Amino acid sequence: DGGITQSPKYLFRKEGQNVTLSCEQNLNHDAMYWYRQDPGQGLRLIYYSQIVNDFQKGDIAEGYSVSREKKESFPLTVTSAQKNPTAFYLCASRDISKYGYTFGSGTRLTVV
Amino acid sequence: AQSVTQLGSHVSVSEGALVLLRCNYSSSVPPYLFWYVQYPNQGLQLLLKYTSAATLVKGINGFEAEFKKSETSFHLTKPSAHMSDAAEYFCAVSPGGYQKVTFGTGTKLQVIP
Repeated sequence: DGGITQSPKYLFRKEGQNVTLSCEQNLNHDAMYWYRQDPGQGLRLIYYSQIVNDFQKGDIAEGYSVSREKKESFPLTVTSAQKNPTAFYLCASRDISKYGYTFGSGTRLTVV
Repeated sequence: AQSVTQLGSHVSVSEGALVLLRCNYSSSVPPYLFWYVQYPNQGLQLLLKYTSAATLVKGINGFEAEFKKSETSFHLTKPSAHMSDAAEYFCAVSPGGYQKVTFGTGTKLQVIP
């Protein structure tokens, strides 16, 4: 079955460390997105990519970086510059002809 | 510019009662509208979408929503709540295409036995 795979499901980061969250899709979708979810704040867009080797900042890109070297993959790096990284991170992809997003199951990042 | 307002961060209903989750939108162009459901520690699943066809949209799990342009609303309803409906529900709006989708802050639905 096609879908989006996020790994790991749980991730712990020490202060000052960079960590990378994986997102892989086999849906052949062109567009991919990263959202951050905090209680009571809904989903906030971090970065998105509409095509390989191109990506744009979302609403809260500071402290994050991404790459899009392959259509299937859109990893997110949470850098040490992100002061409050503890959150639930969701990856999504989109087929322009079908509207809506397909979401992965998320990665919960905790700073220890 | 676009935005979504979900009225009520928490809604409680009795099992078998009507479910009504409210969503009002703001959009400078004809919008595409969505409802998603999220179970704890999981991703979001698309319940239904409005894409300028019929104003009454039917989705999965017995949910439906009606697009009312005059009220700028897209409320989600289900005639009879089931225990398995307990989850968080998100309304979202997009101008279409690859344009950004903007999500509301979510409504947690509690179903009381």
